[in-house]
Amino acid sequence: ETGVTQSPTHLIKTRGQQVTLRCSSQSGHNTVSWYQQALGQGPQFIFQYYREEENGRGNFPPRFSGLQFPNYSSELNVNALELDDSALYLCASRPGLAEDTQYFGPGTRLTVL
Amino acid sequence: AQSVSQHNHHVILSEAASLELGCNYSYGGTVNLFWYVQYPGQHLQLLLKYFSGDPLVKGIKGFEAEFIKSKFSFNLRKPSVQWSDTAEYFCAVTPGGYQKVTFGTGTKLQVIP
Repeated sequence: ETGVTQSPTHLIKTRGQQVTLRCSSQSGHNTVSWYQQALGQGPQFIFQYYREEENGRGNFPPRFSGLQFPNYSSELNVNALELDDSALYLCASRPGLAEDTQYFGPGTRLTVL
Repeated sequence: AQSVSQHNHHVILSEAASLELGCNYSYGGTVNLFWYVQYPGQHLQLLLKYFSGDPLVKGIKGFEAEFIKSKFSFNLRKPSVQWSDTAEYFCAVTPGGYQKVTFGTGTKLQVIP
């Protein structure tokens, strides 16, 4: 257990729908990163938030967006879902930008039909 | 763009055998290097990391890794594996500044008692 929680655990959506995934970071952690892990692949970096602002983004289209709240919890929003968005979505938090060790949550399994 | 290659997708070893998992990255500048492990049913967790200094780094549970800059490699080693080392191992790299983390595709290690 890392203290990072994610909800929901599993989610099924249909193509074209929108989804919001949530992450509660470990206490005292102001930096949150989101990853997409497709089956048989390593996690792919989506973006990172530091003190409520996006601070680094991977190669994902704008329909992937996020938020970080004053308590440092975070949301990942995906619009216009596509079949290829089916994956495990991981959230990781750490105490600050200068800190190197990330603490991962259990992930949300998203299935798009 | 940076990339990470893990050459072994699935490795099967008997207990007490020695382990070496390959990791090569492509990035021209200064990098920070990580190995993460995911035990069955558990979260991704940090095994070890290299930022600077001694290129031979030691991590948890008897693992170590050697950074060879000329070969762009960061191979993971353990002299004698145990059944409890059965897990998936991911190599990851980030440029200095830690704004974008790139993971490899992972290596599944199965240790047979």
